[in-house]
Order: sequence, then C-alpha cells, then structure tokens
Amino acid sequence: EAEVAQSPRYKITEKSQAVAFWCDPISGHATLYWYRQILGQGPELLVQFQDESVVDDSQLPKDRFSAERLKGVDSTLKIQPAELGDSAMYLCASSLSGTSQETQYFGPGTRLLVL
Amino acid sequence: QKEVEQNSGPLSVPEGAIASLNCTYSDRGSQSFFWYRQYSGKSPELIMFIYSNGDKEDGRFTAQLNKASQYVSLLIRDSQPSDSATYLCAVMRYGQNFVFGPGTRLSVLP
Repeated sequence: EAEVAQSPRYKITEKSQAVAFWCDPISGHATLYWYRQILGQGPELLVQFQDESVVDDSQLPKDRFSAERLKGVDSTLKIQPAELGDSAMYLCASSLSGTSQETQYFGPGTRLLVL
Repeated sequence: QKEVEQNSGPLSVPEGAIASLNCTYSDRGSQSFFWYRQYSGKSPELIMFIYSNGDKEDGRFTAQLNKASQYVSLLIRDSQPSDSATYLCAVMRYGQNFVFGPGTRLSVLP
C-alpha cells in the first residue's frame, strides 16, 4: 500500500539551530500539506502545495519557517532559528488533487524537541 | 468560537459498549466531514468520511451528519480496547482546507 514517507522520525535540537524535515507524498498525489500538531491539540495547517506551487501558507510563520516543493514531488520544511515553542509533531499529508471530497493521507510524522 | 469543537474527554466506555463521539462546527458552508483515529505518538489515520446528511456505516463505525444542527458524530459499536485512541474530527469547505478539532480521547476498558 502506498504511503507518505517522512524523515527524520525524531529530531532533538537546541534553540537557535536550524532544522529541516523531508516528506515524500504518495505517488501521483498533486497536493501536499504540512501540519504542526502540538500535544493535546488537533493538527494545524502550515502550508499547502498544489504541485510545486504554494496555495496556502497563511499560517506559516514566515520569519522562521520556509517550505519548498521544487519539482512538485517531495517537499522540505525548514525552521531557522528553532524556538522552544516549535516543539511539536510535524505531519505531512497528501491528497490526489486537493478537492473537498478527497481524503488526506498522513505520513508518520516528525517529532521535534527544541531544548 | 472555535471552528471545530470536540469534547476533549477522556471518554471511557466498557468493552463491548457503544462509544459516541461528537463534533460541532461553525462554518455552515462546510461540505465534507472526516473522522481520523490517532494513537498516542502516531499520525492520524482515516476512519471514514461523510458528505450527506444522515448515517453512513462502515463495519463497526457509523458516522452521522446533521448539517442543519452543524453536528457530526461517530459511533463505535462493540468497542474494543484497541479502539482506545484520540479521535479527530476534520471539516472541509470547497476551496479551503481541513480544519481539525482538538480531538476526543477514548478509553475502552477491558
């Protein structure tokens, strides 16, 4: 069964350092999402890509976060510099074309701890 | 008012009982409704989705949607200890993104 891949699964870093997360969506899925999930809360959308284009990054803290999907396939989310409040699970999801009746499939997530 | 609300729980039910999980949403234009299950430390996995008013059944799970009341629920029949998890409700409107509720933690007691 096709799955969304993410790496690393866990990351511990010190504040002010840079971190990067990678996501490879299900093959053929045009839409890719990055979410942040703080413990005890639901996932919150950070950025949505349609192919290589950003379609929604309204909740992305652009002073420190950046995301790219250069070839419209895999994607990287970067945080620089990391802050203590960035400790969370970072989830990547993909869907076929991003319409309202499509399911989003989630990867295993990257758990980030900022010390 | 939060866009999607769920009782955080924990909701405790005995094994074999029916678990009822509720979700309310504020956007009347919402069109699609999803239930995800999330085990501790894992990522969400889809249980089922519903688009039309009424009930939709899939095995032990039944989703119920009432757009007039802006309410969607998930019933789990014959609850098993393996159903113990956090259940996330997600709501979507055409052209917009999923909005997740905070989740309800379910505990099925053996």
